[in-house]
Amino acid sequence: QVQLQESGPGLVKPSETLSLSCAVAGYSISSGYYWGWLRQPPGKGLEWIGSLYHTGITYYNPSLKSRVSTSVDTSKNHFSLRLTSVTAADTAVYYCARQRDVAGAGYFDYWGQGSLVTVSS
Amino acid sequence: SYELTQPPSVSVSPGQTASIACSGDKLGNKFPSWYQQRAGQSPVLVIYQATKRPSGIPERFSASNSGNTATLTISGTQAMDEAEYYCQAWDGSAYVFGTGTKVTVL
Repeated sequence: QVQLQESGPGLVKPSETLSLSCAVAGYSISSGYYWGWLRQPPGKGLEWIGSLYHTGITYYNPSLKSRVSTSVDTSKNHFSLRLTSVTAADTAVYYCARQRDVAGAGYFDYWGQGSLVTVSS
Repeated sequence: SYELTQPPSVSVSPGQTASIACSGDKLGNKFPSWYQQRAGQSPVLVIYQATKRPSGIPERFSASNSGNTATLTISGTQAMDEAEYYCQAWDGSAYVFGTGTKVTVL
């Protein structure tokens, strides 16, 4: 059974950088599949942030692309998210998920439990 | 940017059928997925590639996709199906989620 677990600070100051990590258990990241980051502001809907492959291939939501970067550490079987210059609008539950990327028919089949990040001074 | 629109809420009696629409331009040419999110929990995939059901998802969940509308159908709805449901599709540059539908089992 694939399990994902997000970790990172729950509070980030405005203009600073949000950093989260996602540990994967039950599946080796280097075996394949894409891995994604998504978020959900309190009481609102889901938003895709970006995705990465273990080889370093990445692609991001155009609306966030200028502030997002991701990386993968196959030796630790985890991947990470950085979001720069955060504002209150970035307050959300952040999820990591395994992504099945099938030629435009991609979907997210395993999700972490989510990590609430609040942007506030 | 691409938009997927869902009705805010759907109410259904136990044992009856609930249908949730997801509307987007030429959505029938895409391969939407559907997610169930119970209160306080992470989303769960219930339909992928428009009509396929992952293992472990009950047969009462089914879906169709044509024209500009994808539809998730829950047959014989149970109390445990009460949740928020989201559609999702790839628009060529981003994964886009629908606005979400709250299904209430009365």
